[in-house]
Amino acid sequence: KNEVEQSPQNLTAQEGEFITINCSYSVGISALHWLQQHPGGGIVSLFMLSSGKKKHGRLIATINIQEKHSSLHITASHPRDSAVYICAVKSSGDKLTFGTGTRLAVRP
Amino acid sequence: GAVVSQHPSRVICKSGTSVKIECRSLDFQATTMFWYRQFPKQSLMLMATSNEGSKATYEQGVEKDKFLINHASLTLSTLTVTSAHPEDSSFYICSAARARSYEQYFGPGTRLTVT
Repeated sequence: KNEVEQSPQNLTAQEGEFITINCSYSVGISALHWLQQHPGGGIVSLFMLSSGKKKHGRLIATINIQEKHSSLHITASHPRDSAVYICAVKSSGDKLTFGTGTRLAVRP
Repeated sequence: GAVVSQHPSRVICKSGTSVKIECRSLDFQATTMFWYRQFPKQSLMLMATSNEGSKATYEQGVEKDKFLINHASLTLSTLTVTSAHPEDSSFYICSAARARSYEQYFGPGTRLTVT
């Protein structure tokens, strides 16, 4: 079992839909990152969380430390949101442990 | 915001040659830089962690003599793939972190193809 599990692995949505991507982890962490990787490969850091909730535009990220779970929500999804979304956790030291990613396709 | 660049973005080289990839933090001092490798449809795999002015720490299974990492300044780290082979073809991504910060800033990646 991976230390960081994401679900779903693949997700297809219609434009405008509300999307939720989940991340569960099994280790104690100091921070959790949500990353976005577009088909070209470049990675953008969306959020870094250690507690609570953060919002940026149409994106919302929440984390429940007790339950070792985080969610990334996209409101009013758009085709340009199509990408791979990766959850990564920072436990001991500087290293990040990555989930396998959720591939999102938003259809117009 | 913090910006990390990589150069080149794409490189094609012949088998047996060496390739150098640069990772630069453009607007902050990066005390730690990380090098990752990503195979198609897989997640990032950490290759090594480098701290400015000291030797890189390599992950298990990563050959330090093949993947030479230099972090000579607080804004530049380089990864040199020596005697490249087709199996080294991959997407290489760096990230950079400030001192005492949990945040990592990722570069845009370099796609290496070895023919």
